[in-house]
Amino acid sequence: ELKVEQNPLFLSMQEGKNYTIYCNYSTTSDRLYWYRQDPGKSLESLFVLLSNGAVKQEGRLMASLDTKARLSTLHITAAVHDLSATYFCAVVKEWGAQKLVFGQGTRLTINP
Amino acid sequence: DADVTQTPRNRITKTGKRIMLECSQTKGHDRMYWYRQDPGLGLRLIYYSFDVKDINKGEISDGYSVSRQAQAKFSLSLESAIPNQTALYFCATSDKDRAGETQYFGPGTRLLVL
Repeated sequence: ELKVEQNPLFLSMQEGKNYTIYCNYSTTSDRLYWYRQDPGKSLESLFVLLSNGAVKQEGRLMASLDTKARLSTLHITAAVHDLSATYFCAVVKEWGAQKLVFGQGTRLTINP
Repeated sequence: DADVTQTPRNRITKTGKRIMLECSQTKGHDRMYWYRQDPGLGLRLIYYSFDVKDINKGEISDGYSVSRQAQAKFSLSLESAIPNQTALYFCATSDKDRAGETQYFGPGTRLLVL
């Protein structure tokens, strides 16, 4: 059974600091997604990582994938308040079926 | 206009009632999904459909049914609602022909079962 675990689940940090959110998954998968959710809102797609060693960057966020270690990271550089949200990773359970298994989410709060 | 819409956005119902949540999309995607989100948890897949004639159960389909009325419409029904079905429900769509096949989510329906 595919399990996806994120850590930390809660993260409070100051503006200007760097930090990393980790996403571990238990079985082989070659496709991983990162989503952002603001309170009371829907999920917004951030990144899709399709192969081992894939790295994607958008603004202050950078995501990477190591399929051998079954690990993805979401790195935040010089955090700003607008990045406060809950971040989810999701992994494809069955190739071709596009069945996603989500992590629990990391609630990120960035303080001025 | 939103590409994926859900109605209603909020619903309060009583135990034992039948309710339907509706999802419509203008993205032209063939694949549609229903998820539920509970506080502190990620999303869990209830049902998914790859075209009008294709319906599949997800992780937590018990107590739910779906109908794919058209490519653009996918409805979720709770035949006899119970309190532990109180949750936030999301519809999503994806395009199998697009690299990465990202799923795009609707705004959600907040359901409270008393």
